[in-house]
Amino acid sequence: QKEVEQDPGPLSVPEGAIVSLNCTYSNSAFQYFMWYRQYSRKGPELLMYTYSSGNKEDGRFTAQVDKSSKYISLFIRDSQPSDSATYLCAMKLQGGSEKLVFGKGTKLTVNP
Amino acid sequence: DSGVTQTPKHLITATGQRVTLRCSPRSGDLSVYWYQQSLDQGLQFLIQYYNGEERAKGNILERFSAQQFPDLHSELNLSSLELGDSALYFCASSPREPNTEAFFGQGTRLTVV
Repeated sequence: QKEVEQDPGPLSVPEGAIVSLNCTYSNSAFQYFMWYRQYSRKGPELLMYTYSSGNKEDGRFTAQVDKSSKYISLFIRDSQPSDSATYLCAMKLQGGSEKLVFGKGTKLTVNP
Repeated sequence: DSGVTQTPKHLITATGQRVTLRCSPRSGDLSVYWYQQSLDQGLQFLIQYYNGEERAKGNILERFSAQQFPDLHSELNLSSLELGDSALYFCASSPREPNTEAFFGQGTRLTVV
């Protein structure tokens, strides 16, 4: 079983839709949860991070962590064509190694 | 622009050869990370340096090595290259630990032919 599972999609939605992106994980010791956005031929760019459980909102983006279910989500409201990218979840332990464990990414296309 | 600079952007080389990828972290960032991204494996952590010292190691092959210099730039050396080493190699830097804000460079696309 991979440590982090993420549906690769592709996911295609109309402009203005609410997008839900998800990851599941197996290691209950993960404490830091991040979402990165990667445009084609570019490096990943940090969108948000959450420590432990709970929700975090930043503009049109909301990150949720449910540690009891080992499940994290990223919601994008009022999606725009410029949101078209691959979204990667990443996780990290508290203490110990600083390595990030990434999901494989979900490719999202927002159609005008 | 993340502030992390990687060179070269593209590299095409033959099997058995050795290449060096270079990374300049953001100004002031002490930590440098190397990741490999391939279609089938996704982003895989290779190695981390913090202020010149190796801090953590991931699934880095013995044919690969890295170092961080006193000016904090880092190099990733890949030797005895195989076709399967073709991938995007990313460098990231962060200002602090825990690493919740890693800034990635644009990557080096390595093609081994």
